[in-house]
Amino acid sequence: DTEVTQTPKHLVMGMTNKKSLKCEQHMGHRAMYWYKQKAKKPPELMFVYSYEKLSINESVPSRFSPECPNSSLLNLHLHALQPEDSALYLCASSQGGTRINEKLFFGSGTQLSVL
Amino acid sequence: GNSVTQMEGPVTLSEEAFLTINCTYTATGYPSLFWYVQYPGEGLQLLLKATKADDKGSNKGFEATYRKETTSFHLEKGSVQVSDSAVYFCALEYGNNRLAFGKGNQVVVIP
Repeated sequence: DTEVTQTPKHLVMGMTNKKSLKCEQHMGHRAMYWYKQKAKKPPELMFVYSYEKLSINESVPSRFSPECPNSSLLNLHLHALQPEDSALYLCASSQGGTRINEKLFFGSGTQLSVL
Repeated sequence: GNSVTQMEGPVTLSEEAFLTINCTYTATGYPSLFWYVQYPGEGLQLLLKATKADDKGSNKGFEATYRKETTSFHLEKGSVQVSDSAVYFCALEYGNNRLAFGKGNQVVVIP
């Protein structure tokens, strides 16, 4: 199994809603990532978990709350989002805990629309 | 700082044509360099990588050579197919667990 699975694929939410994005991998990878990608732009790093601990938070607003319940799962909890938060949210994983000069595996993403 | 610059604009070419996408970088030290490809509606996939100067990464007919003297990592393919239509991102590794991506190039291959 060399996949990173993300659910849901599409999500529409209002600004007062609370929702969660989920990501799962069974490759034994110890680093997991959340990226945000706006249309026709490169992905922007949001969070990195290394060995289930949050190691990087790229100054992401607190309305985005990551969680890593175990080494295979990564969640992104969403609350009080703004329309400008509409984007494709990508999860990724890699084998090592600290450096990524090996392969990053990406999921297909969740396309989020905030109304 | 650490950054990647890709040539501006989409690339449109005919099937079996030669493809080049330019990528130059600015970095401290000698980072690993990557090309990622994103097909419509999908996440990114690693296409190839190089971890040190003069390394050549290759995969699926694509090649890129890590050139320290010109700080470049240009992507090439000798004969493109319609199935190569996608967005291509050049990236470099910096810090721990960080990738700096270029802006990406949309490649459209016409039959």
